[in-house]
Amino acid sequence: GQSLEQPSEVTAVEGAIVQINCTYQTSGFYGLSWYQQHDGGAPTFLSYNALDGLEETGRFSSFLSRSDSYGYLLLQELQMKDSASYFCATHTGGFKTIFGAGTRLFVKA
Amino acid sequence: KAGVTQTPRYLIKTRGQQVTLSCSPISGHRSVSWYQQTPGQGLQFLFEYFSETQRNKGNFPGRFSGRQFSNSRSEMNVSTLELGDSALYLCASSFTGSRNTEAFFGQGTRLTVV
Repeated sequence: GQSLEQPSEVTAVEGAIVQINCTYQTSGFYGLSWYQQHDGGAPTFLSYNALDGLEETGRFSSFLSRSDSYGYLLLQELQMKDSASYFCATHTGGFKTIFGAGTRLFVKA
Repeated sequence: KAGVTQTPRYLIKTRGQQVTLSCSPISGHRSVSWYQQTPGQGLQFLFEYFSETQRNKGNFPGRFSGRQFSNSRSEMNVSTLELGDSALYLCASSFTGSRNTEAFFGQGTRLTVV
């Protein structure tokens, strides 16, 4: 089957660093994406990793290890506006994207 | 440029009825994917269309169907509605639907089945 596991909730303090992990099991793997969704809003694309290693985009970084079927999203200098749900998603062959159940991030002052 | 537009935003239907949801992708985007989102379940893939052809389908019953028009606008239909169909239905558009292409989501249609 195809599945992605990520923690349901993470809480962190404003200004801190938080890491959201994602492990996946898919038949056919072509990369891992991350999306952010605020309450009542649409998911928005954050990053995509096709190869092993770290991709950095401003305060957000994403890491992938294909050998471990594992990735993570790293958020630095947390701000209150980062409170949202974060989804990892894998891309399989056949134009199909599988999403994890999402991690709810709470940023406290 | 205009984003992905989904209509209607909210819908209340009765069990047994059928419903049609609409999605207008970003201009120039030819791939449209549909997802069902329920609390705690993430986004469940329904189907993907490109140039009026369904290229993949998720594990949903045949009551869920879709189509895409020549202008890339897409509709999804759910027949014989069940209470469990209550969810947020999201569509996403991209240029090609390829794995390394960023997908842009609409605000979704909130369907409530009573």
